[in-house]
Parts: sequence; C-alpha cells; structure tokens
Amino acid sequence: KAGVTQTPRYLIKTRGQQVTLSCSPISGHRSVSWYQQTPGQGLQFLFEYFSETQRNKGNFPGRFSGRQFSNSRSEMNVSTLELGDSALYLCASSLAGGANVLTFGAGSRLTVL
Amino acid sequence: AQRVTQPEKLLSVFKGAPVELKCNYSYSGSPELFWYVQYSRQRLQLLLRHISRESIKGFTADLNKGETSFHLKKPFAQEEDSAMYYCALRNSGGYQKVTFGTGTKLQVIP
Repeated sequence: KAGVTQTPRYLIKTRGQQVTLSCSPISGHRSVSWYQQTPGQGLQFLFEYFSETQRNKGNFPGRFSGRQFSNSRSEMNVSTLELGDSALYLCASSLAGGANVLTFGAGSRLTVL
Repeated sequence: AQRVTQPEKLLSVFKGAPVELKCNYSYSGSPELFWYVQYSRQRLQLLLRHISRESIKGFTADLNKGETSFHLKKPFAQEEDSAMYYCALRNSGGYQKVTFGTGTKLQVIP
C-alpha cells in the first residue's frame, strides 16, 4: 500500500510569490490534514478536508488556503509569501471515523528568500 | 480551545535510565490522546494512543484525567529511542482536528 505522497519535496521561493503543494493520501483515506512544522512552534494545524469539504481550520491568515479533489488528493496554497512561511509542510491522511490515526507524508520543505 | 503542552524541549538521559516525557493537555470534553515519534530522517509516525492501552517499543502512557496529563514512560532507555516525540490530542467532536504539542527531543547518551 503506497504511503502519503507529497510533492514537491523541496522548493525555494521569494517573498511575494505564491506556492502550491500537493498531497496524495493513502488509498481509501478520505480525510487529509495539513500542518506547518517549524523548530520553534512544532506542528501547527492548518486545515483538514473530508470529501472535498473543509471541516476544520487553524489560526492561520487567509493567505493559506487549500482544497480537496474528488479523488481525495489535496492541495494547499500560500499566497504573498513571507519569510516566516519557511517551514516543513506536512500532510496527513486518515480514515474518517474508526482508526483516527494520522499517517504522515515526508513533507514539503519550503524556503522563502 | 484545545491545547497540548510539552514543557521540555530537550530531555537527555543515559542508556538504561528511566525516561518520562511529560505531556499536559487542556480540553473541555473527553479527549483522545496520542504520542507520535519522528526518528532522524524518517516520517512522523504514531507511537501509541491511550485507547489502545498497549506498550509499544517498551513505552507506555497513562491518561490521567484528574491531572490532565498523558506522560510517556519507559523503564530503560535505549539508544534507538533518540528521536523527537510529540504528544497530540484529538477532539471528541468527531472531526479530525488533532492538536500537537511543541515536541520533546529525547537524547539517549550511550
């Protein structure tokens, strides 16, 4: 069974640009969550999608957005990048209800210059 | 609002010594608690969860609702236990909002 796949793995952007990150969940998993991981803040919850609907949202500005497609794949977008957006962005998938265990991808490391 | 606190950023112990990684939470409902671990160059993965009441790799964690704690313990640390450990809380509302603590780096000294 393939794991959670995130692309791209690494990317470098400059301030003011925008970025789109992609996440393909484990087959059969319908819930996808996104987290921002930084050394100082740990993992901070961005949002969670289930069946193409955003069910939960963390305390991030509107520059951070996401969506989920009918095949459960998810994307997140960050517009007008700031230096502070440099982080590892983790995606996790899970079965809705039941197991409630998050399976994480390897992450997309974003560097904003 | 739900909150998870891990007071120690770094915990260094000698091999063979007991380990206790502290986790306290704040949540008004009935929470589901987890410990996730991230070994060097590996993905974040589940270590254990309180509803399973099991021991994984020698680690155990007991949910203490009175003290709102979910400390992770192991009687004898091994070098391979060195990793980043995150305590996490899932709300009981049925939706997958999982809140993580800031993590504790466990360093086992040979």
